[in-house]
Amino acid sequence: EVQLVQSGAEVKKPGESLKISCKGSGYSFTSYWIGWVRQMPGKGLEWMGIIYPGDSDTRYSPSFQGQVTISADKSISTAYLQWSSLKASDTAMYYCARGITIFGVALFDYWGQGTLVTVSS
Amino acid sequence: SSELTQDPAVSVALGQTVRITCQGDSLRSYYASWYQQKPGQAPVLVIYGKNNRPSGIPDRFSGSSSGNTASLTITGAQAEDEADYYCNSRDSSGNPSFGGGTKLTVL
Repeated sequence: EVQLVQSGAEVKKPGESLKISCKGSGYSFTSYWIGWVRQMPGKGLEWMGIIYPGDSDTRYSPSFQGQVTISADKSISTAYLQWSSLKASDTAMYYCARGITIFGVALFDYWGQGTLVTVSS
Repeated sequence: SSELTQDPAVSVALGQTVRITCQGDSLRSYYASWYQQKPGQAPVLVIYGKNNRPSGIPDRFSGSSSGNTASLTITGAQAEDEADYYCNSRDSSGNPSFGGGTKLTVL
């Protein structure tokens, strides 16, 4: 069974750093992309970026380039999303999802349960 | 703003058929996939490709496309289908892109 298990909820202060994780199991972790998706409170889904753990090829949405860093450790089948200096506007639910490409379109067939990040002074 | 446009809200009477649409230039060349998200839950893929359903998705869900518009149709909507629905395709740079979402109410 394919599973993506994310790290738990975080409460941070503005300016702090954070790294959240997404552990894949039940499939070949290095053979599929892992994407990160933001959902701000009461809002829609926003694609942030994607990584291919097999060779660490990483692409970012222009909206998130330079704001976050996506990485992966294939030895432990885990992908990461990190911030060096959080802002209150980073408060959101963050999902990881397994990415596949069908007919030239990247879509997400399995999702993690989400990690709620709250940034407040 | 998203390059994929969805109506913010749609309603349907229990047991009736509803179509949720997604418009965007990329849809002239690429398929949309569709996700269902219920309150407090992660999104779930319900339709991808031309009209494919992942295992476990009821056959009352179907997808279609014409011109710059992709559609998700629920034939015989059930109370449990009340949720937010998001389309996903690619933007002009080839990156994944989501529509703004449609809130479906089953009356």
